[in-house]
Amino acid sequence: NAGVTQTPKFQVLKTGQSMTLQCAQDMNHEYMSWYRQDPGMGLRLIHYSVGAGITDQGEVPNGYNVSRSTTEDFPLRLLSAAPSQTSVYFCASSQGQGGYSNQPQHFGDGTRLSIL
Amino acid sequence: AQSVTQPDIHITVSEGASLELRCNYSYGATPYLFWYVQSPGQGLQLLLKYFSGDTLVQGIKGFEAEFKRSQSSFNLRKPSVHWSDAAEYFCAVGASGTYKYIFGTGTRLKVLA
Repeated sequence: NAGVTQTPKFQVLKTGQSMTLQCAQDMNHEYMSWYRQDPGMGLRLIHYSVGAGITDQGEVPNGYNVSRSTTEDFPLRLLSAAPSQTSVYFCASSQGQGGYSNQPQHFGDGTRLSIL
Repeated sequence: AQSVTQPDIHITVSEGASLELRCNYSYGATPYLFWYVQSPGQGLQLLLKYFSGDTLVQGIKGFEAEFKRSQSSFNLRKPSVHWSDAAEYFCAVGASGTYKYIFGTGTRLKVLA
């Protein structure tokens, strides 16, 4: 099983550029989420989705957009990259049964993004 | 608001020594509790989880954790550390009836040969 696949693994952008981080899962999970990981700050939730067509904001949503057109895919878009968005980005998925937070999450290997 | 605190940023132990990583949480009801491990360049992998019942839970790779409601703690333990355990460890809390998890800031474990 591939699990959660993130592409690209590394990316360097210039300030103001836009890009899309890809995330795909093959486990038929309803819940998908994006986190950013910064030194000393743990993982912070950017956006999440509880199913196709349903998304919501997390703790740090500004500067990011998401959409969920299929169960499998949950891309994260940076509209106009800023140096403050330099981070490691993780996509995660989990099964959903009512209260989703009782399910462990499956993580991708991350995308390391640098904004110059 | 719920929160998770991992008081130790770095911990160094010798191979074969015992290990305890601390996690304290703040949450009004019984939380869902998780420990994850992150090896360099990798995503997070679930070690163990607690939802209810027996307060001592066993996980993978020989790890265990004990839920102590009176201390709002969920400390991770291992009797004998192996060099391959060097990684970063994250405690997480899931609020029941929501879609949200809160992660601690992590504890980086170094193992001396």
